[in-house]
Amino acid sequence: EDQVTQSPEALRLQEGESSSLNCSYTVSGLRGLFWYRQDPGKGPEFLFTLYSAGEEKEKERLKATLTKKESFLHITAPKPEDSATYLCAVQGNSSASKIIFGSGTRLSIRP
Amino acid sequence: EPEVTQTPSHQVTQMGQEVILRCVPISNHLYFYWYRQILGQKVEFLVSFYNNEISEKSEIFDDQFSVERPDGSNFTLKIRSTKLEDSAMYFCASGVRVPSSYEQYFGPGTRLTVT
Repeated sequence: EDQVTQSPEALRLQEGESSSLNCSYTVSGLRGLFWYRQDPGKGPEFLFTLYSAGEEKEKERLKATLTKKESFLHITAPKPEDSATYLCAVQGNSSASKIIFGSGTRLSIRP
Repeated sequence: EPEVTQTPSHQVTQMGQEVILRCVPISNHLYFYWYRQILGQKVEFLVSFYNNEISEKSEIFDDQFSVERPDGSNFTLKIRSTKLEDSAMYFCASGVRVPSSYEQYFGPGTRLTVT
């Protein structure tokens, strides 16, 4: 069964303090690994797709990387507006379409 | 930038009543999805829809649920006889799903409260 585990559950950082969020996954043939940002009461906002081990994607202060078992979302010099829940999700070859989500990491950036 | 839109943003209904949640997917997308998120829990897949039929559904998507694309732009989720445990955020998503792009883009959600 496809599974996604994210850690830590919550992370509080000072503005400018870089860190990484982890996403471990088990999937029968990875079709894609996705990172989303979710603000309270809102829908997931698409950030990145990673397809194969070794791949990296960047957007502003965020950088996503992928290995065969996990993905990291690195946040460099975060700002308070980066505060949100970051969701990792996977789609495997056994599924025609569904995405399996992790529980997310609640990131809080203090000014 | 094109967005998925959903209406209403908040729906309150009594147990046993029928509700219809509406979505307008991104215009050139061909794959449509419904997910739900119970407060404090994970986002869960309900159903996917392509070419006017269901392509995949989860165990949650039982006989009380149905989906429809009544015209060229709308995509709806009907819950026939709501239960207290149906209270959740319901998200519509759409995507193109070609080998280079499996992303799904989510709407803002409809908060369903069953009393």
